[in-house]
Amino acid sequence: QPVLTQSSSASASLGSSAKLTCTLSSGHSTYIIAWHQQQPGKAPRFLMKLGGGTYNKGSGIPDRFSGSSSGADRYLTISNLQSEDEADYYCETWDSNTRVFGGGTKLTVL
Amino acid sequence: EVQLVQSGAEMKQPGESLKISCKGSGYSFTDYWIGWVRQMPGKGLEWMGIIYPVDSDTRYSPSFQGQVTISVDRSISSAYLQWSSLKASDTAMYYCYSRGEYWGQGTLVTVSS
Repeated sequence: QPVLTQSSSASASLGSSAKLTCTLSSGHSTYIIAWHQQQPGKAPRFLMKLGGGTYNKGSGIPDRFSGSSSGADRYLTISNLQSEDEADYYCETWDSNTRVFGGGTKLTVL
Repeated sequence: EVQLVQSGAEMKQPGESLKISCKGSGYSFTDYWIGWVRQMPGKGLEWMGIIYPVDSDTRYSPSFQGQVTISVDRSISSAYLQWSSLKASDTAMYYCYSRGEYWGQGTLVTVSS
């Protein structure tokens, strides 16, 4: 079963860019992952799926949000950071009929 | 528009039973699995399990196997998460989600004597 590793926190200045990383465990480097955003006090929101040749963004997700992959790493890049981007970001993957979330990264917009 | 609408907040005592719901609309309910996710206060997302409405095939995370029951009623496009005997440690926000893309608004469950 895959394991996802995320840094617990990140910070970047308003108007700059932030790049968050989600790392898949050994033997699972080809897996597709999903990124979800959870703003304070709100339900999670799907941002995108990427990996294994897949890249699909959710409906209404701004162009400022983009994803990329390198080996076992999956990245979420947020450009032109806005105050509303301050949130927790979770990656998720799946294997057969089980799913797993990473521990989440708390992004602070300075 | 795809929507998952969950039942309202619950306050229960330890040992009581509970069933919360998640109603799907705006899509073919039986075409996509529905999953449940727990979020304890101040903590991250934990996957609990999924159910396939077309045949009620259900899979649980080992952490939640035997602790909860996931079910579905296709006739009213609804999925359920059920406890037979709540514990204080079940206090959390519970989210349903479908196809990995659509999320419910969450149901807060508080278990306290």
